[in-house]
Amino acid sequence: AAGVIQSPRHLIKEKRETATLKCYPIPRHDTVYWYQQGPGQDPQFLISFYEKMQSDKGSIPDRFSAQQFSDYHSELNMSSLELGDSALYFCASSGDRGQQYFGPGTRLLVL
Amino acid sequence: GNSVTQMEGPVTLSEEAFLTINCTYTATGYPSLFWYVQYPGEGLQLLLKATKADDKGSNKGFEATYRKETTSFHLEKGSVQVSDSAVYFCALSVYYGGSQGNLIFGKGTKLSVKP
Repeated sequence: AAGVIQSPRHLIKEKRETATLKCYPIPRHDTVYWYQQGPGQDPQFLISFYEKMQSDKGSIPDRFSAQQFSDYHSELNMSSLELGDSALYFCASSGDRGQQYFGPGTRLLVL
Repeated sequence: GNSVTQMEGPVTLSEEAFLTINCTYTATGYPSLFWYVQYPGEGLQLLLKATKADDKGSNKGFEATYRKETTSFHLEKGSVQVSDSAVYFCALSVYYGGSQGNLIFGKGTKLSVKP
């Protein structure tokens, strides 16, 4: 069965640079969630989209923005990167507003 | 607000030992409860879930029962294996506006099983 795809899987950036993470949900899933997991931490909800509209917002910094496109894939844009942004970023998708299925994550390292 | 509290680790057990990881929650509304497992260097996998009081979720020998009276969802396994070594997260989400909300996770419990 198709799973959630995230790209890239690994990313290294310098401080103050920008990064774009992509998420391709399971086919026919209409909801996407983004989570951030710092080293040794629990995942924290950032933002979610339903039918291309923002549906909920968590602890997402103002330096970050995200959107969901007409094909339901989503992108998380991160600007003015800081050392503390180094984390594992997960995307999850759901259909019929039900169970969330997680992607493998993008590991971001900010130097 | 909504929150999850789970026992801190790390937990170290010998193979075939009994496992319990405690999880309690605070929630408004009617939460669904989940256990996720994260193996080293990997993503989050749903282990089991329960969507209403007294439901029992089970998978791969793991079980957890949704106890509304004690607001708990403790994870248990009768006989652990080395391959169960991982970090376990208890989580909840609240159903509102016709949809399942975002997941709220506990801090995670690292389990190490020794041969």
